[in-house]
Amino acid sequence: EIVLMQSPGTLSLSPGESATLSCRASQSVGSTYLAWYQQKPGQPPRLLTFGAYGRATGIPDRFSGSGSGTDFTLTISKLEPEDFAVYYCQQYARSPGTFGQGTKLEIK
Amino acid sequence: QVQLVESGGGVVQPGKSLILSCAASGFSFRSYAMHWVRQAPGKGLEWVAIISNDGRHKDYADSVKGRFSISRDNSKNTLDLQMNSLRVEDTAVYYCARPPAKYYGSDIYFEYWGQGNMVTVSS
Repeated sequence: EIVLMQSPGTLSLSPGESATLSCRASQSVGSTYLAWYQQKPGQPPRLLTFGAYGRATGIPDRFSGSGSGTDFTLTISKLEPEDFAVYYCQQYARSPGTFGQGTKLEIK
Repeated sequence: QVQLVESGGGVVQPGKSLILSCAASGFSFRSYAMHWVRQAPGKGLEWVAIISNDGRHKDYADSVKGRFSISRDNSKNTLDLQMNSLRVEDTAVYYCARPPAKYYGSDIYFEYWGQGNMVTVSS
């Protein structure tokens, strides 16, 4: 199965700054088979982005996913207080879909 | 709106059984394959099982194959996960999840998630 490695493990930033989260796959997942989720304590994951340019319903355009092959990035511009959470990437190019171990975005 | 509500979790001893249920509403349940995904405490997410929209096709993660069984009742809009021979490493929050499209396969992302149900396997 495809293994996803996310970095950094923890990212400390201030509101208003921009965040860049990385997800690297053990083999190519193309350009369209990568999704990003946000999870807050005690809540289920929330779909943010999918495919090459897709953004889930209700997700602000501050969130954008990019990348192809084995290297992907979630960029969050102008961080809002509600953006501080754990973020997971997921590949769905090959069965079974697999998730990264997560990046915690915390307030500096 | 789409709602997925899990029930049936709890504390169980190793080797015992437990059944989880998920009640779905707000969409045409019989049209979608459905999944279970779990998350061990403080850990990442792991896909567990899928069932096709008509219940005829099923697949499981290697870690649960032969011990867990997924089923559904389209007349009641419910999804179940029968968990047998439970192990300590099965301790997790279990989510039922729906993909965005009417597609059967574990190579898909999830648009809707239930709130999750905790299963603790401990002696």
